Amino acid sequence: GDQVKQSPSALSLQEGTNSALRCNFSIATTTVQWFLQNPRGSLMNLFYLVPGTKENGRLKSTFNSKESYSTLHIRDAQLEDSGTYFCAADITGNTRKLIFGLGTTLQVQP
Amino acid sequence: EAAVTQSPRNKVAVTGGKVTLSCNQTNNHNNMYWYRQDTGHGLRLIHYSYGAGSTEKGDIPDGYKASRPSQENFSLILELATPSQTSVYFCASGDAGESSYEQYFGPGTRLTVL
Repeated sequence: GDQVKQSPSALSLQEGTNSALRCNFSIATTTVQWFLQNPRGSLMNLFYLVPGTKENGRLKSTFNSKESYSTLHIRDAQLEDSGTYFCAADITGNTRKLIFGLGTTLQVQP
Repeated sequence: EAAVTQSPRNKVAVTGGKVTLSCNQTNNHNNMYWYRQDTGHGLRLIHYSYGAGSTEKGDIPDGYKASRPSQENFSLILELATPSQTSVYFCASGDAGESSYEQYFGPGTRLTVL
């Protein structure tokens, strides 16, 4: 958790509002993955990022490798967006292993 | 259909018993991984594999063995289970190609060691 720090740790949103989640990296990071763990425990892939920005529907994510951070923007939050969001750093090297943050638990309320 | 499956989905074991968790992937990925998820620690890597016949130690390998008998299958073995190994275990597969190293996860196995 120290090498990948997520903030905030928890967040409550009203339906229809926007928010941003952040990951800061203290290790050299080649690529970043964002996941949503739903209430049943399954990990859903949201984004796989090299440095740059990707967008998918109401979600948008940026990875800035020079400043060692990544953000996940949620626009027009919906009830089904609730769950825990994890970012994971794919560290430089041949191992291709992921270092996970501790997650941001999001609750979207009507 | 799900590309990474795990069995069993839930398991209760006794201290000192042997536990085998199985993972199957239909992604034709070379790399496979075993992670455990615990509150306060996030997901941590236990073992991984680059292909059939290979196993490598991850960050927390003590008390675990792994087996990769084929491209599709990767098992995690607890020879002498302990209560500290109570956790949720996730298997993942990932490509080893130059274009993407994205990992895809199975649904998890909840293990309770009494």
